[in-house]
Amino acid sequence: ETGVTQSPTHLIKTRGQQVTLRCSSQSGHNTVSWYQQALGQGPQFIFQYYREEENGRGNFPPRFSGLQFPNYSSELNVNALELDDSALYLCASSPDRLLHNSPLHFGNGTRLTVT
Amino acid sequence: KQEVTQIPAALSVPEGENLVLNCSFTDSAIYNLQWFRQDPGKGLTSLLLIQSSQREQTSGRLNASLDKSSGRSTLYIAASQPGDSATYLCAVLGGNKLVFGAGTILRVKS
Repeated sequence: ETGVTQSPTHLIKTRGQQVTLRCSSQSGHNTVSWYQQALGQGPQFIFQYYREEENGRGNFPPRFSGLQFPNYSSELNVNALELDDSALYLCASSPDRLLHNSPLHFGNGTRLTVT
Repeated sequence: KQEVTQIPAALSVPEGENLVLNCSFTDSAIYNLQWFRQDPGKGLTSLLLIQSSQREQTSGRLNASLDKSSGRSTLYIAASQPGDSATYLCAVLGGNKLVFGAGTILRVKS
């Protein structure tokens, strides 16, 4: 069984640019969540997608947007990058939309550096 | 607004010692509480999930307890090993999102 995979693993961008991060969910998982983890902090919820629809959003501005595809893979897009967007971006998938009975399965993340 | 606090922020112990990591949360209206492990520069690995109706869960040398009314959880690690060195994160599920603490950095010295 293939786990959650994210690409790229590392990325360096300049302030003001746009970035797209990609995630392949674990086989059979129809729910994908994205989290941002700044250095030394716990992950913070960005949003969740279920069957191609956004299903909850955290306290992030609209320049953070996402997509989920019919095969349940997902993208996170960030426009007008700011220095504070530098972080580890984690994708997680689950077979349970409500997350009540199954833990989230996380990928290894994409390390984004904005200069 | 849910807030999760983990104490201590860092812990260094000799190999073989039993240890306890603490987690507290401000809003008891949770569906479950989860403990994760994170190795440097890596993603999170789920260790234990405790439903809000449960008091504890065990997996191997790990035991997690939950006291929802007081907003506390502990992760007990028995007979610690150098391979246990990592950051341990506690998270509570409210709605459809996990709210995480900042983690406890554990170092087990051989």
